[in-house]
Amino acid sequence: GAVVSQHPSWVICKSGTSVKIECRSLDFQATTMFWYRQFPKQSLMLMATSNEGSKATYEQGVEKDKFLINHASLTLSTLTVTSAHPEDSSFYICSAFGQYFGPGTRLTVT
Amino acid sequence: GENVEQHPSTLSVQEGDSAVIKCTYSDSASNYFPWYKQELGKRPQLIIDIRSNVGEKKDQRIAVTLNKTAKHFSLHITETQPEDSAVYFCAASSGGSNYKLTFGKGTLLTVNP
Repeated sequence: GAVVSQHPSWVICKSGTSVKIECRSLDFQATTMFWYRQFPKQSLMLMATSNEGSKATYEQGVEKDKFLINHASLTLSTLTVTSAHPEDSSFYICSAFGQYFGPGTRLTVT
Repeated sequence: GENVEQHPSTLSVQEGDSAVIKCTYSDSASNYFPWYKQELGKRPQLIIDIRSNVGEKKDQRIAVTLNKTAKHFSLHITETQPEDSAVYFCAASSGGSNYKLTFGKGTLLTVNP
């Protein structure tokens, strides 16, 4: 079956620093990847749609300069949280084709 | 944009009983309705989905029904087992499976042995 990996699985960073999260499709190609954020005991909220070879599409209220998305190849999409703050602490999950989710990245900003 | 409402937020049943979770959506253009099971700290897993040209779909103990006119769809789990305990999310999309999903708020299902 299709496998999506994410790295790192968890990360702790200091406020003001940047963190990069990688999302890879291991056995298939994806022109589109979706990035979701999930706060504890809450639902998944779509942040942006990552498009290979073009700019990402951000959902309303998501700061594109803060959450940088790059879809450099058909198997790799990255999300960089810039100048992270404690309120950015969350579970970040990527997805392809609506059913193939990465294992998620737990970000804690101290 | 699309809005998906999900009820109940928590559901507790005895092992062997049935569980029903209901969702409504707002966008009449939505045509793909998946259901996910998420265990604590893990990724969502697709358990069943239905498209707008179908009214009902069943997979062993799990079934989903869709009423396009009323814009609601439901998940039915029969003969529940303790391992069914998890958070269940419904979602809707207007572009099929390779399109952005709008999720419901989730239902915490607890199956008591």
